[in-house]
Amino acid sequence: EAGVAQSPRYKIIEKRQSVAFWCNPISGHATLYWYQQILGQGPKLLIQFQNNGVVDDSQLPKDRFSAERLKGVDSTLKIQPAKLEDSAVYLCASSSARTASVREQYFGPGTRLTVT
Amino acid sequence: SQQGEEDPQALSIQEGENATMNCSYKTSINNLQWYRQNSGRGLVHLILIRSNEREKHSGRLRVTLDTSKKSSSLLITASRAADTASYFCATDGRGAQKLVFGQGTRLTINP
Repeated sequence: EAGVAQSPRYKIIEKRQSVAFWCNPISGHATLYWYQQILGQGPKLLIQFQNNGVVDDSQLPKDRFSAERLKGVDSTLKIQPAKLEDSAVYLCASSSARTASVREQYFGPGTRLTVT
Repeated sequence: SQQGEEDPQALSIQEGENATMNCSYKTSINNLQWYRQNSGRGLVHLILIRSNEREKHSGRLRVTLDTSKKSSSLLITASRAADTASYFCATDGRGAQKLVFGQGTRLTINP
């Protein structure tokens, strides 16, 4: 079974520029998550989709971050404009969970963003 | 905010020894999960323990859960160099429908 795919793996941009990350979850997984992981910390949930609907985006800085999940499969996360504090690894994960109970999540390799 | 707090933040042991990591959390949970993250990689799910379970095993891993103390421990027996990684606990709070990760324990196994 193919895992969660993410691209790009690395991105360096200047502050105030925009950037987009792409995620392809495991086939058939209804739930998709985007996390931000700052160096030395645990992942922080930014947004959770179930199929193509948003379940939770309470920690997404909506003034600069946006995300969509096309046709309930692939997803993109965009930052516009980027700030220095956005430097982090952005992780995408998917899960077969379709109900309120949370099951194990499968993570992609992440995109390491550096904002200079 | 991050609910789980791992202890210790860093642990260094010799190959073959056992490693124990602890996790404390604040609110009632449906389940608790442990994940491993190798340097520069994504997280890998290790084990899930439900709130009505007290202990679970998977290979060299043993997880315990004490809901009265709101704490969990992860024991890795007979450690190997390949176990060097960061280990995170994540809680699924009642009604939350999402995982909240702790800060992690950085484990180093010395050959």
